Amino acid sequence: GAVVSQHPSWVICKSGTSVKIECRSLDFQATTMFWYRQFPKQSLMLMATSNEGSKATYEQGVEKDKFLINHASLTLSTLTVTSAHPEDSSFYICSAPGQGSQPQHFGDGTRLSIL
Amino acid sequence: AQSVTQLDSHVSVSEGTPVLLRCNYSSSYSPSLFWYVQHPNKGLQLLLKYTSAATLVKGINGFEAEFKKSETSFHLTKPSAHMSDAAEYFCVVSRNTGTASKLTFGTGTRLQVTL
Repeated sequence: GAVVSQHPSWVICKSGTSVKIECRSLDFQATTMFWYRQFPKQSLMLMATSNEGSKATYEQGVEKDKFLINHASLTLSTLTVTSAHPEDSSFYICSAPGQGSQPQHFGDGTRLSIL
Repeated sequence: AQSVTQLDSHVSVSEGTPVLLRCNYSSSYSPSLFWYVQHPNKGLQLLLKYTSAATLVKGINGFEAEFKKSETSFHLTKPSAHMSDAAEYFCVVSRNTGTASKLTFGTGTRLQVTL
């Protein structure tokens, strides 16, 4: 079964609204989580590393005021896309460091469409 | 610095024939290498991993990959393709075996399986 739960799976909203995406680790604690963005027919690009109890670490070129990350508990990280615009439309995927033999467990992703 | 190059963006095979998805890597350190599969609008599933143990790695669903240091390659193979194998495949490199390590993704190879 899934060990990382991501919600919602699909969001369609108007330009200018803010959208929150949740990433939960199930049955294990994750002090670190990762957020990726994937444009159509492209690879995954790491946006930021979410750290429980401290500020997220953003990759070069990612606007931290645009993509707000909160990791308030050991099982939940959230990504908020603020004032979303059509160019923010993408597939967002989170992951948590793996248990057992897996290097990272991935959520099923969130398809964000901004009209 | 580390990177992976997936040599084919698209591979098409007939059902029942062998599959070969090519990946070359570059790393300043002893790398950990992975293959992930992604079905449409889904997260990523780990197929197999190499972490400096056996160079021939067997994974799930009949896939395997061989780490060849002299060729800096980690090609993914399967003896006989099945329709359900149609998906996007990513070759991934990590700097070390730690689960919180950042992953660097290749650009992906779309596998098409025809009747």
